[in-house]
Amino acid sequence: DAKTTQPPSMDCAEGRAANLPCNHSTISGNEYVYWYRQIHSQGPQYIIHGLKNNETNEMASLIITEDRKSSTLILPHATLRDTAVYYCIVRAGSARQLTFGSGTQLTVLP
Amino acid sequence: DAEITQSPRHKITETGRQVTLACHQTWNHNNMFWYRQDLGHGLRLIHYSYGVHDTNKGEVSDGYSVSRSNTEDLPLTLESAASSQTSVYFCASSDRQNYGYTFGSGTRLTVV
Repeated sequence: DAKTTQPPSMDCAEGRAANLPCNHSTISGNEYVYWYRQIHSQGPQYIIHGLKNNETNEMASLIITEDRKSSTLILPHATLRDTAVYYCIVRAGSARQLTFGSGTQLTVLP
Repeated sequence: DAEITQSPRHKITETGRQVTLACHQTWNHNNMFWYRQDLGHGLRLIHYSYGVHDTNKGEVSDGYSVSRSNTEDLPLTLESAASSQTSVYFCASSDRQNYGYTFGSGTRLTVV
């Protein structure tokens, strides 16, 4: 699986959009981009995933660049409950394991 | 509603004891996984299973074992607990399509 690079920490004001970047310059054509988050002491939570096209669900939007070497997770209106560690993971569609990196600690400030 | 549950939530045991952590899911998922999480190491895969009677080693499998006798359960056994196995343990499951993992709430294990 391709490696990912994320900033170790970010702050965001409550009510504003949180934009979390992820670099995956060695991504292969069959690898998906997944995002998970982990709120303190809880199990990780699946957020969204995509291959080429931008994706949106009730939690977030995923923007993948045309060359697929980077992506951005967007939380449109961050709340205090969105404070968590966010993990960007790249994984082949045929693989069934997830490998977690160190993620980005997002702190939403009141 | 379908769920994945881990038990116990907290466990204190002595060095050398055998310990079993339970994981039970009602999603009817084929794939199940055990991770441990330590400060400074993030989540690391211990063992995983793709179906009944299937088990595989992850990156930190030494000292741990699993067995899969049915779809719902993947118990994790520490054969002889060591202080280095003090950690938070998370169980997860995913369906055949494997798009999103569902994680349990974790078991905090302390080996004294």
